[in-house]
Amino acid sequence: KQEVTQIPAALSVPEGENLVLNCSFTDSAIYNLQWFRQDPGKGLTSLLLIQSSQREQTSGRLNASLDKSSGRSTLYIAASQPGDSATYLCAVLDSGGSNYKLTFGKGTLLTVNP
Amino acid sequence: KAGVTQTPRYLIKTRGQQVTLSCSPISGHRSVSWYQQTPGQGLQFLFEYFSETQRNKGNFPGRFSGRQFSNSRSEMNVSTLELGDSALYLCASSPSPTGYEQYFGPGTRLTVT
Repeated sequence: KQEVTQIPAALSVPEGENLVLNCSFTDSAIYNLQWFRQDPGKGLTSLLLIQSSQREQTSGRLNASLDKSSGRSTLYIAASQPGDSATYLCAVLDSGGSNYKLTFGKGTLLTVNP
Repeated sequence: KAGVTQTPRYLIKTRGQQVTLSCSPISGHRSVSWYQQTPGQGLQFLFEYFSETQRNKGNFPGRFSGRQFSNSRSEMNVSTLELGDSALYLCASSPSPTGYEQYFGPGTRLTVT
């Protein structure tokens, strides 16, 4: 059974700091990994998707890496801003069989202080 | 393209009642999934539909059911509501039969009193 863990559970940083969020998963047989952002009481916004054959993806100030063999992914946020404050979730889509579901971590609550 | 829409956005029900939530996927997307989000358990998979067929179901009691229509719109139903069913229910759609890259709606906040 796939399990996804995110560390840290919460992070508070001053504006302008670069930061790294971590995600680990127990079964390396994944199809892809997605990073999402969730604002309080809202739905999920997809930030980055990394296919299992890829090592990283970049979008603006965000960079996500994937090491499938070790079951790890990181989300790097450069020059953080107060508007980045949200919960960040990572999720994996398992490959093979008739799965079709995402398994989520519990998320990292990020607070960027002005 | 319009995103995933969910109705209603907020719902208050009493224990023992039943509820139906609706999800309209992005145009052209035939895979629709449902997730329950609670503070304690996080996001948990409920079920997934593709072309009106349920292909996968999470570990939830039989009180939770769903269906998908020919236009890919989906509904989920919870019967005999319990206090623990209070949650944010999220629907996601995917353009791929494998569920590759899922797009989420804003969710329905269900409160059971």
